[in-house]
Amino acid sequence: QKEVEQNSGPLSVPEGAIASLNCTYSDRGSQSFFWYRQYSGKSPELIMFIYSNGDKEDGRFTAQLNKASQYVSLLIRDSQPSDSATYLCAVGDSNYQLIWGAGTKLIIKP
Amino acid sequence: DAGVTQSPTHLIKTRGQQVTLRCSPISGHKSVSWYQQVLGQGPQFIFQYYEKEERGRGNFPDRFSARQFPNYSSELNVNALLLGDSALYLCASSSVQSSYEQYFGPGTRLTVT
Repeated sequence: QKEVEQNSGPLSVPEGAIASLNCTYSDRGSQSFFWYRQYSGKSPELIMFIYSNGDKEDGRFTAQLNKASQYVSLLIRDSQPSDSATYLCAVGDSNYQLIWGAGTKLIIKP
Repeated sequence: DAGVTQSPTHLIKTRGQQVTLRCSPISGHKSVSWYQQVLGQGPQFIFQYYEKEERGRGNFPDRFSARQFPNYSSELNVNALLLGDSALYLCASSSVQSSYEQYFGPGTRLTVT
């Protein structure tokens, strides 16, 4: 059974600080990794994807991948109240499908 | 460019009834995936279609079926509705070049009473 694990939170971070979200996965053969943001009552929105070990930066977001340790993380710098949402980690399997974590609820405190 | 569209937005059905949900992918995208999401959980994979062929099926009963049309739009059908089918149904589309990068529509909120 392929699994993706996330801490459900909530993770509470002061405004302006760095929010760090983590995800582990069980399938060592996974090659593609995604972070989605989901506001309450809305659908998931793709915000980052990463395929290679190391860091990938896009604006205030940085995705980090460590295949040896089977974890992927998302850093949000200069956190804003509008970043408050549930962040979903998804991992691509060998059948063109995504395996999803249950999400981490992030709360940015003004 | 229009994103993924889904209809209807909300739906209320009675146990035992049947429902059809519709999805139009992003222009140029040929793959459509359907997910079920209940509160507090990640999306659960139901089906994936590519070029009108089923490419994957999740662990859902045969009451769930889907199809993709020549214009790449898709329908999800659920028969003999149960209370437990109440959920947000999500459709996502992806391109041939980036099959894993899936973009979601707004979803259909189904309530079964």
